[in-house]
Amino acid sequence: QVQLQESGPGLVKPSETLSLTCTVSGASISAYSWNWIRQPAGKGLEWIGRIYTSGSINYNPSLKSRVIMSADTPKNQFSLRLSFMTAADTAVYYCVREVEGAARSFDYWGQGTLVTVSS
Amino acid sequence: DIQMTQSPSSLSASIGDRVTITCRASQTINNYLNWYQQRPGKAPNLLIYAASNLQSGVPSRFSGSGSGTDFTLTISSLQPEDFATYYCQQTYTTPRTFGQGTTVEIK
Repeated sequence: QVQLQESGPGLVKPSETLSLTCTVSGASISAYSWNWIRQPAGKGLEWIGRIYTSGSINYNPSLKSRVIMSADTPKNQFSLRLSFMTAADTAVYYCVREVEGAARSFDYWGQGTLVTVSS
Repeated sequence: DIQMTQSPSSLSASIGDRVTITCRASQTINNYLNWYQQRPGKAPNLLIYAASNLQSGVPSRFSGSGSGTDFTLTISSLQPEDFATYYCQQTYTTPRTFGQGTTVEIK
């Protein structure tokens, strides 16, 4: 069974950098694409970016200047770094698997981790 | 970016009702359209992929249709566990984008 688990700090100070890691079990991160999604309280879903099988990375243009994603294949983990955090970045952050090909969809999600930006 | 617009933003319905939610893309996305259900405090759950394909384990009362720019999610007979927020998403291109969500409430 595929499982994804986010880990990282729940509280980040303004202007600091958020670092989150997603640990994947039941599937190899060398296959599929792996995404980060976030959701502010009471609001909709925002795609942050993805890293995929070829090693290529796509970022949301709205966040591109502040985001870095990476993967650690031996550990079967992928990570997100988001710099210059502000209150607007307070949200639940999800790591998500994306099926590639004609059925492109997000089929497995982590439970989500709440990140609050506050001094 | 491709904009995804859902309607309605919310609706009230009764158990057993047929419910339809629509999603419109700002440009053609072929059939790269997915539907998710999100219950409060939980991660979204994939219901329909590629516009009309039922994800494994999802009840058959859920169905999807459409192609190009206009898509529909239908719940044939609303059940208590279906009261939730539903999102459409395009995976035609990056950035991946979602609709704003449709909340289905109990009448």
